Amino acid sequence: QLQLQESGPGLVTPSETLSLTCTVSGGSISSTSYYWGWIRQPPGKGLEWIGSIYYSTTTYYTPSLKSRVTISVDTSKNQFSLKLSSVTAADTAVYFCARQANWGSGLFYMDVWGKGSTVTVSS
Amino acid sequence: DIVMTQSPFSLPVTPGEPASISCRSSQSLLHSNGYNHLNWYLQKPGQSPQLLIFLGSNRASGVPDRFSGSGSGTDFTLKISRVEAEDVGVYYCMQTLQTFTFGQGTRLEIK
Repeated sequence: QLQLQESGPGLVTPSETLSLTCTVSGGSISSTSYYWGWIRQPPGKGLEWIGSIYYSTTTYYTPSLKSRVTISVDTSKNQFSLKLSSVTAADTAVYFCARQANWGSGLFYMDVWGKGSTVTVSS
Repeated sequence: DIVMTQSPFSLPVTPGEPASISCRSSQSLLHSNGYNHLNWYLQKPGQSPQLLIFLGSNRASGVPDRFSGSGSGTDFTLKISRVEAEDVGVYYCMQTLQTFTFGQGTRLEIK
């Protein structure tokens, strides 16, 4: 059974870079059937999709974060990562990684989620 | 951006009674192949979201058949035929036509 686990610092200093890793177990991150994505949830608020990556080659990001976000894949470790630069308190959130199933024809859905990693931006 | 609008914001339901949640998008989510770029998720308290319905009306693996999704284009509905205590949480719709966006969520609580 596929499992995803987020890891990374729980506290980040303002203006620094937030870095998180999602480790995939029970399946290969190199599968051409799936994309891999990041979603976040500020305290007491709703869900915000951050971006997704396909097979280390194609990435796409939500416009509001595009200038600060990088998502990458490490196939040797079966992991994918999120980097968010120049963070502020507004980036404080629970960050989820998820597998994004590709039905074809541009139809997607997030079908497996990690448990989430809480990141606080504070000095 | 495509804006997703859910209603109601809060939904108190008596166990055994039906429940319905509406989700409207600012533009059509209908693909030329008949599927919709619309998925439903449930986030139970203290948990990560779980997929309920994908592509508008397809129940995800392991989801009870009391959950159903309907609608097309810009108007979608998630229905629970008989609410159970374990259905408590926040329900989100999500579009995947253009840089994905979620609705603001509907909180289902037991009366």
